[in-house]
Amino acid sequence: GAGVSQTPSNKVTEKGKYVELRCDPISGHTALYWYRQSLGQGPEFLIYFQGTGAADDSGLPNDRFFAVRPEGSVSTLKIQRTERGDSAVYLCASSSFPGNTIYFGEGSWLTVV
Amino acid sequence: GDSVTQMEGPVTLSEEAFLTINCTYTATGYPSLFWYVQYPGEGLQLLLKATKADDKGSNKGFEATYRKETTSFHLEKGSVQVSDSAVYFCALSEESGAGNKLTFGGGTRVLVKP
Repeated sequence: GAGVSQTPSNKVTEKGKYVELRCDPISGHTALYWYRQSLGQGPEFLIYFQGTGAADDSGLPNDRFFAVRPEGSVSTLKIQRTERGDSAVYLCASSSFPGNTIYFGEGSWLTVV
Repeated sequence: GDSVTQMEGPVTLSEEAFLTINCTYTATGYPSLFWYVQYPGEGLQLLLKATKADDKGSNKGFEATYRKETTSFHLEKGSVQVSDSAVYFCALSEESGAGNKLTFGGGTRVLVKP
């Protein structure tokens, strides 16, 4: 596609439920990033993929969060046992190569009630 | 660790006014510096960047100069338009084995009134 695509755009879930957020990067982009943006704050880094492997997952807040990119293209961010504090916009971004311009998707707005 | 501090908003100004958004950073090495913009209902977009000291990034009438001596990257525009209303984020990235991971400031909301 023309840009980074994220689905769903909005997700409301109950506390304790499992959630998956999907990111489809720009075609051919090898680097993929996940960020989290809480209301009124700047995005915070979660995880970075180069190809299929997670090169840096230092931003994942705890072991309830996990992300995969099995074929080096689409990525899924998985959140287990969701908590109200997980409510945020989850942003995906990609670049053609590490060090090149990063392009962001519009985000998936997660609300945990 | 790395950090970015930018002036809090909202900043409200009239069309054709001069805009400055202050940004300072803390980094261990020699980062690249960025301004991203988020228009209402849209995703983050790169506005401009500078990769080394004294570089000036510019785009759409906006400018920012990488000042290593003051660790700053202030954003300026000489004459704003209503369409410049958005949230502006200052960010940095350092070279590492993990690509160019970005560290963002908290964002500054700008509202331009006709």
